[in-house]
Amino acid sequence: KAGVTQTPRYLIKTRGQQVTLSCSPISGHRSVSWYQQTPGQGLQFLFEYFSETQRNKGNFPGRFSGRQFSNSRSEMNVSTLELGDSALYLCASSFLLGAYNSPLHFGNGTRLTVT
Amino acid sequence: ELKVEQNPLFLSMQEGKNYTIYCNYSTTSDRLYWYRQDPGKSLESLFVLLSNGAVKQEGRLMASLDTKARLSTLHITAAVHDLSATYFCAVFYGGATNKLIFGTGTLLAVQP
Repeated sequence: KAGVTQTPRYLIKTRGQQVTLSCSPISGHRSVSWYQQTPGQGLQFLFEYFSETQRNKGNFPGRFSGRQFSNSRSEMNVSTLELGDSALYLCASSFLLGAYNSPLHFGNGTRLTVT
Repeated sequence: ELKVEQNPLFLSMQEGKNYTIYCNYSTTSDRLYWYRQDPGKSLESLFVLLSNGAVKQEGRLMASLDTKARLSTLHITAAVHDLSATYFCAVFYGGATNKLIFGTGTLLAVQP
């Protein structure tokens, strides 16, 4: 069974630009969550999608947005990039967030560097 | 505020020794996860703890959950170099929150 796939693995962008990251969940998983990991702030929850609907959102500015498609694949977009957006962005999937006995399965992440 | 704290943040230990990582959380939850992360890699699920008193063991790692004390422990027995990694606990908060809150992580370095 294929794992969670994130593309691209690495990105270098300039301040002010925008970026789109992609995540394909494990087959059959309908929930996709996004996390930002930085040395200073650790792992922080961005948002979660289920059945093409955003179910929950973390404390991030509106520049961070996402969506989920009917095949459960998800994208997240960051507009007007700032230096502080440099981070490892992790996508995780599960059958349903918080499903009993079910951990989140994480992808390898996209490392975004903003210069 | 939902807070999850781990200690220690950094742990250097010799092979063959035992040690415990602690995970404290601020608000009641009955669901806690432990993950491992190797440098430059993603998060690997280690344990899912679903009830008070739950204990899970895999190899040299054993995790337990005390929901009344809001405390989970990850015990390392006879450490080996291959266990060197960063370990995270994560607490699930359901209902209106419905999210996973991660601890700060513990960087474990096992010296030969």
